[in-house]
Amino acid sequence: GAGVSQTPSNKVTEKGKYVELRCDPISGHTALYWYRQSLGQGPEFLIYFQGTGAADDSGLPNDRFFAVRPEGSVSTLKIQRTERGDSAVYLCASSFKEKGQDQPQHFGDGTRLSIL
Amino acid sequence: GEDVEQSLFLSVREGDSSVINCTYTDSSSTYLYWYKQEPGAGLQLLTYIFSNMDMKQDQRLTVLLNKKDKHLSLRIADTQTGDSAIYFCAETPDNYGQNFVFGPGTRLSVLP
Repeated sequence: GAGVSQTPSNKVTEKGKYVELRCDPISGHTALYWYRQSLGQGPEFLIYFQGTGAADDSGLPNDRFFAVRPEGSVSTLKIQRTERGDSAVYLCASSFKEKGQDQPQHFGDGTRLSIL
Repeated sequence: GEDVEQSLFLSVREGDSSVINCTYTDSSSTYLYWYKQEPGAGLQLLTYIFSNMDMKQDQRLTVLLNKKDKHLSLRIADTQTGDSAIYFCAETPDNYGQNFVFGPGTRLSVLP
């Protein structure tokens, strides 16, 4: 498809388990972003990739959260030792972004993560 | 840090105009955006405005920017029931590689 694709759309797991959330950005988009959206709130920034490198990971809440983008396209958000407070919708966005040329971010439909 | 504020709820009658307001604190914001989110879906980009503009019109949507007061508004003309959704205001600072800061969202309810 032409849009940002996130899988799975829903994930239910038990407290303490490890989860991986995947994001396929729009082809050709250089920048990729992860956000977390809790119920009734706006998206909260987690991490931003430009190419393969994490240009800004200041939004990751703690060291249980980690994200990679090894080939500069698909990204995986990894959460270790999940806690009930990690339950949220995790949104991915991508954009074409180069110095002096900033395009809007396009969002996927998100992964709804529920920690029991 | 940056902060974006919005009123949380707005109700209008079908056919009326809706005006959704947003205030932000970062005076170096380069772009300001409006996104729409329907239940269970991701964010859909509606429109955006560059900070050196004060107005942008796109079909039923009009964006007004008052940079002095750091106030952004989205006007939807002839509001329809399909416009019922949550509308998020977002801004990006004037720095290469920075992220969006979103407001809490305004839930628009369109009454028949």
